[in-house]
Amino acid sequence: QSALTQPASVSGSPGQSITISCTGTSSDVGNYHLVSWYQQHPGKAPKLMIYEGSKRPSGVSNRFSGSKSGNTASLTISGLQAEDEADYYCCSYAGNTTRVFGTGTKLTVL
Amino acid sequence: EVQLVESGGGLVQPGRSLRVSCAVSGFTLEDYAMHWVRQAPGKGLEWVSGISWNSGSVGYAEVVKGRFSISRDNAKNSLYLQMNSLRIEDTALYYCAKDWGPWGSGSLNYWGHGTLVIVSS
Repeated sequence: QSALTQPASVSGSPGQSITISCTGTSSDVGNYHLVSWYQQHPGKAPKLMIYEGSKRPSGVSNRFSGSKSGNTASLTISGLQAEDEADYYCCSYAGNTTRVFGTGTKLTVL
Repeated sequence: EVQLVESGGGLVQPGRSLRVSCAVSGFTLEDYAMHWVRQAPGKGLEWVSGISWNSGSVGYAEVVKGRFSISRDNAKNSLYLQMNSLRIEDTALYYCAKDWGPWGSGSLNYWGHGTLVIVSS
């Protein structure tokens, strides 16, 4: 149950697009279409942004999109806005009710 | 409105036990799996344990397996985490989270605000 690998930090200017990668193994990311992404602002609880790899919950901006290829999932945020600055975590189902989170990525909007 | 409210955290000595609880409202607990996720100070999220709607399927992170036990009481709209043999590295904010579905394979679509557990002598 090793944590999924994410870049420690990414940054972009307002209006730009950024992509955060999430690399796992054939036992988690590569084996299930059940990757989710969470946004966490300082001092706040995480918020679901993407589920089942690429689906957006009601109320989440369509500037957020997800994809997966092999053992790597990705979150793309287009049209960056100041309020997007936060920590982002991926999470994959890993079988038998278990799951594993990513190491987390700090997004800075310049 | 969906609400999850954790309680029971506090300061505990290494090797001792503690039970944290999560009271839910705004949805029918028996229809959904539930999870505990923790976050050590200044660190990332770590999944701890999950339980299916009927308690028939439970899972634990390797680092807590054999020490922690998850349970639920659907009639009382409550989720629990019994933590035994606590270690300093168990110090964290413990979040209760609702699964999208009943079996524990879905995403976590609602979260509480967490209860802080500090393990220290």
